[in-house]
Amino acid sequence: SQTIHQWPATLVQPVGSPLSLECTVEGTSNPNLYWYRQAAGRGLQLLFYSVGIGQISSEVPQNLSASRPQDRQFILSSKKLLLSDSGFYLCASYRDRRRNSPLHFGNGTRLTVT
Amino acid sequence: AQKVTQAQTEISVVEKEDVTLDCVYETRDTTYYLFWYKQPPSGELVFLIRRNSFDEQNEISGRYSWNFQKSTSSFNFTITASQVVDSAVYFCALSGEAGGHGSSNTGKLIFGQGTTLQVKP
Repeated sequence: SQTIHQWPATLVQPVGSPLSLECTVEGTSNPNLYWYRQAAGRGLQLLFYSVGIGQISSEVPQNLSASRPQDRQFILSSKKLLLSDSGFYLCASYRDRRRNSPLHFGNGTRLTVT
Repeated sequence: AQKVTQAQTEISVVEKEDVTLDCVYETRDTTYYLFWYKQPPSGELVFLIRRNSFDEQNEISGRYSWNFQKSTSSFNFTITASQVVDSAVYFCALSGEAGGHGSSNTGKLIFGQGTTLQVKP
């Protein structure tokens, strides 16, 4: 079955510093991949999604960017972090290739920008 | 535009009580999909259920049950005989697309703000 790995689990970064969060998926090929963010006390917002290598779609204008250098690798980056980038970042992918497959999430990275 | 509203921000119950979490959605799609996820204190999101808009049968899974009513655009979640381990944040979500990998599936899940459930012993 599919497994989603995210690291690091927690991260504290100063304002203006760069960011790189990594997500890798095991157990499937050519998955759709997603980055969601959960701000404190709020719901989840879709940031980026990718349907293949090098294909990135952005859902909201922001200070972040995403890349997909390999089939099962999805990276979330920033050149200069803002305080408002703090939150819980979750990588997601469908459990399998079936049409009714549910979206599954990794364990997340809790980012605090100070 | 699609929208999911979970009006209950926090609910506190005593163990063994029944509790219902409300979810109201808005969409112009004739075909859509509704979800519930559980987020325990550890933070990971756990998939609970997925319903299609064309299947209004209610569903029961152990102590969990879901009431889907298209007439009121609601998809409520009931926990029977609640337990301390049920304490978590529960999210309702909506998507206009079926799941599964493929370029046609953008996987846009619209989430509600979540309901924090505290079950006291």
